[in-house]
Amino acid sequence: NAGVTQTPKFQVLKTGQSMTLQCAQDMNHNSMYWYRQDPGMGLRLIYYSASEGTTDKGEVPNGYNVSRLNKREFSLRLESAAPSQTSVYFCASSNQGVSHEQYFGPGTRLTVT
Amino acid sequence: SQKIEQNSEALNIQEGKTATLTCNYTNYSPAYLQWYRQDPGRGPVFLLLIRENEKEKRKERLKVTFDTTLKQSLFHITASQPADSATYLCALRSAGNMLTFGGGTRLMVKP
Repeated sequence: NAGVTQTPKFQVLKTGQSMTLQCAQDMNHNSMYWYRQDPGMGLRLIYYSASEGTTDKGEVPNGYNVSRLNKREFSLRLESAAPSQTSVYFCASSNQGVSHEQYFGPGTRLTVT
Repeated sequence: SQKIEQNSEALNIQEGKTATLTCNYTNYSPAYLQWYRQDPGRGPVFLLLIRENEKEKRKERLKVTFDTTLKQSLFHITASQPADSATYLCALRSAGNMLTFGGGTRLMVKP
């Protein structure tokens, strides 16, 4: 099992460019999440998908869109990148149930110049 | 407003000692509290979950306590090793299927 995979690992964008971060999990989890992690700010939830076919906003959704393509895949799109979106992005998944622990991917380090 | 606080200063301890990390929260009534470990350049890894009706949870050298009156969780690593050096994050599940994370505390265990 690969767990949670993310692509790309690193990306540099110019202001105004767009890109999609890809995430896939092979644990048959129902729920998937996108976080960003900034120094001094901790992990903040951008969007999540409680189950296939649903998506909901988290704490910091502005400037982002998501697509739950199927049960395995959850993508995050930046339509017009801004320097404030420079961050490390983590995808995570969890099984719905009593424990709800989350499994994280390795992260994507994004720099917007 | 809701807040989760972890000591932002690094905790430095000697190998073999017990490390104790603190997670305080305000304006939450969490059903669960979780602890994660994060190594540099990697995603967080789940360690332990404790429910509101549990006072203490153990896993090998790890122990977590959860005091809903004090609104505090303590995370202990006994017989600490240099390999335990990492950042430790607490996270609260308050409602729905979302976690809110604290800023994390960096632990440095010196040989």
